[in-house]
Amino acid sequence: DVKVTQSSRYLVKRTGEKVFLECVQDMDHENMFWYRQDPGLGLRLIYFSYDVKMKEKGDIPEGYSVSREKKERFSLILESASTNQTSMYLCASSLTGGYTFGSGTRLTVV
Amino acid sequence: GQNIDQPTEMTATEGAIVQINCTYQTSGFNGLFWYQQHAGEAPTFLSYNVLDGLEEKGRFSSFLSRSKGYSYLLLKELQMKDSASYLCAVRAPSGGSYIPTFGRGTSLIVHP
Repeated sequence: DVKVTQSSRYLVKRTGEKVFLECVQDMDHENMFWYRQDPGLGLRLIYFSYDVKMKEKGDIPEGYSVSREKKERFSLILESASTNQTSMYLCASSLTGGYTFGSGTRLTVV
Repeated sequence: GQNIDQPTEMTATEGAIVQINCTYQTSGFNGLFWYQQHAGEAPTFLSYNVLDGLEEKGRFSSFLSRSKGYSYLLLKELQMKDSASYLCAVRAPSGGSYIPTFGRGTSLIVHP
């Protein structure tokens, strides 16, 4: 089974901090995604990557950046955390079929 | 842009059958997925349809009509553990890849 691992299950950060969310997959998948999930809004795509060092903006990239230096790792960066970035963050990976999600990181910005 | 609609909430009785509908309008189409998500957990894959018709997998079935932009997920012999959110996602071309867009999810409550 494909495993997608997110480094933290819960995080609490202060406004203005730089925050790194890490995601690692173990099945050599080319495509990786970062979503945030908020009540009533569903899953919204922040960024995705279809190859090493490649990145594409999703629907809500503002305030975020990403890094993909190695195929298995896709990092989401909050340059200066704000309270409206409090959310559940989900990483996913895929090859050509379905999408496998990590367990999620619940980020609270205070 | 991509637009995916599904009901916000449904309730059903244990042992019954429930159908969750999903309609979509997308620029291109490369498959439709259904995911199940229990509260506080990650979404898990249920089904994938790329051609018209019905795909059956145990108690769960998924149907697709590409000409109508319509899909449904059918859950039979409902169990309490089926109480969860069900997400419809459509994959469509974007740049050099294919990107899934998710609906807002349907919260299913199964009661005794």
